[in-house]
Amino acid sequence: EAQVTQNPRYLITVTGKKLTVTCSQNMNHEYMSWYRQDPGLGLRQIYYSMNVEVTDKGDVPEGYKVSRKEKRNFPLILESPSPNQTSLYFCASSPAGWNTEAFFGQGTRLTVV
Amino acid sequence: SQQGEEDPQALSIQEGENATMNCSYKTSINNLQWYRQNSGRGLVHLILIRSNEREKHSGRLRVTLDTSKKSSSLLITASRAADTASYSCATEDNYGQNFVFGPGTRLSVLP
Repeated sequence: EAQVTQNPRYLITVTGKKLTVTCSQNMNHEYMSWYRQDPGLGLRQIYYSMNVEVTDKGDVPEGYKVSRKEKRNFPLILESPSPNQTSLYFCASSPAGWNTEAFFGQGTRLTVV
Repeated sequence: SQQGEEDPQALSIQEGENATMNCSYKTSINNLQWYRQNSGRGLVHLILIRSNEREKHSGRLRVTLDTSKKSSSLLITASRAADTASYSCATEDNYGQNFVFGPGTRLSVLP
């Protein structure tokens, strides 16, 4: 089954404790992206990747890191989480960027206390 | 970044009625997409309409695009309780590289 898998689905952590949210897709898509969703706002893009070893900042990259060492995986790293990073996070992939349909993971609800 | 803006922000209808949601955007686009999101879940792609298309259908969904008015509409006919969700439009950003999503229209279909 074609899918984007995020883990974990729920995470509660403390300020400053490094964490990684994993994202994996099995559709051989070139484009992958991370978004955060906060109440009343549309998805805001954190980082995106057009292909392996190619990543770029989205609209809200501060406090986040990503890597794209292989096509299927695109982990999101929070080196020192802060409470303002409490949010619902989504990973997405598509064959070729904005010009094609995007597939989304089920989301990771992160709480930083 | 360019962003689509949906209207209305929220909509409540009875089962069996039609629901219409609108999306306006600011600059020229190559395509516009509509997505559905059930509460707290990932977005699901509904329809992609290209700038040279005026209307597309998929089951009970009908999407129109008016590039002169920079707007699109999503019509759901004969709505069902299962259609209750948030519906967002997505366009490309000013650099033509990324999806940009609007905040969405929250649709409630009452049984």
